[in-house]
This record gives sequence, C-alpha cells and structure tokens, in this order.
Amino acid sequence: DIVMTQSPDSLVVSLGERATINCKSSQSVLYSSNNKNYLAWYQQKPGQPPKLLIYWASTRESGVPDRFSGSGSGTDFTLTISSLQAEDVAVYYCQQYYSSPFTFGPGTKVDIK
Amino acid sequence: EVQLVESGGGLVQPGRSLRLSCAASRFTFDDYAMHWVRQAPGKGLEWVSGISWNSGARYYADSVKGRFTISRDNAKNSLYLQMNSLRAEDTAFYYCAKDNTRAWGGFDSWGRGTLVTVSS
Repeated sequence: DIVMTQSPDSLVVSLGERATINCKSSQSVLYSSNNKNYLAWYQQKPGQPPKLLIYWASTRESGVPDRFSGSGSGTDFTLTISSLQAEDVAVYYCQQYYSSPFTFGPGTKVDIK
Repeated sequence: EVQLVESGGGLVQPGRSLRLSCAASRFTFDDYAMHWVRQAPGKGLEWVSGISWNSGARYYADSVKGRFTISRDNAKNSLYLQMNSLRAEDTAFYYCAKDNTRAWGGFDSWGRGTLVTVSS
C-alpha cells in the first residue's frame, strides 16, 4: 500500500500570507505512460464533506480560487495558498489514486494567526 | 449541481450487517466511477471502496476486504455498500463520492454522509 504523509500537522498563518502544505508518498504516483501524477488535494471545513481542490497534482478544480495551487511530481507534492483568507480555515488532505487502496494523508489543519 | 444522498446508517451491534445506499442525481451516473469514504468522529479520511463505471473493477481497503461489498445499479442511479461482520472500529460517517473519471481520478462531488455506529 502507498503511505501518504503530510507536513506540518498544523499551520497558523496571518491573513494574506502564504500557506504551504507538503505531502509525500511512499512510492511514486507518476504514471509514466501518460506523465500524470495521480494525486489530489481536498479541503474539509468543520461539519462539511471534503471538497476537491486539485487533481493530477496541479489541475485546479472548476470554481476553486486561483490562490490555491498544487505542484510536485513523483513522491513529493505541495499545496500552496498564496494569500490566506478567513474562509480557508480548514483541514487539508492529499490523496493518491495511483493504486488501490486509494490512501489519504493524515491531514493538515490550517488556522488564522 | 451533482447531488449524492446517502442513507441506511444507524446503530448496529457488533457482528451484524448494514447496507448503505447512495442516490445520485443531476449527472450521468454510468459515466463515472464511485467510491465510499469514511471518517471516524474527529479523525481523518479513510477510503473504503471504489467501483468503476461498469462495475468491472471493484477495490477495497484492507480493513474491510472480505466483509464489505460495493455495488451499483446504473439503471437506478444508485451506489451501495453491504457491510457484514461489523466491528466497533467501523464506526464512522460514510460518504459517497463521485470520481471525475470512469476509472480513477479525483473525487469531485461528495454526499453529506450517513453515520454508522457499531456498539452493543
């Protein structure tokens, strides 16, 4: 099974500042035949289901603000919130869908300073 | 807008069975893979099971393999999860999630979840 890890566990950032969350997979999630990374990012606010932000490691889901961006390849990935807004307070999860079981990372909680 | 509504959760004794359903609407159901994801109260997300658009591929988390069965009825726009031999550690909110491809991609729509509590 592919194990997903995230760092940090929690993050406190001032409004308007950059937030960076790291995700690492125990093996590569890059599929060589199509050069795609099978990696997604989700945002979950309290009392709500998760929301897809990014898929294929860097493709922003429709309707997601452009302050959210994803980068990385192979085993190391990053979610960046370029200018943190109050509504971005949430837990963020990475997930690999390269191979079953489609494992999630443990989550990173983002709060406002 | 895509709508996914889970049902069938509740309180069940250890060792018993439960069947969850997910009613899908406002999209072409048989064009997409579907998944079940669970979340124990206050904990992280755990992928449980996934099924391809035509039921040709079904996958399970190790923690539920042999006890849970995923299925779908494309004529009824419905997804199911048959849960047998339930354990206390299966207690969680169970979410139905739509894949953004026919096989495996990001999960682009989620239901509100149904709570399963396994306790004597």
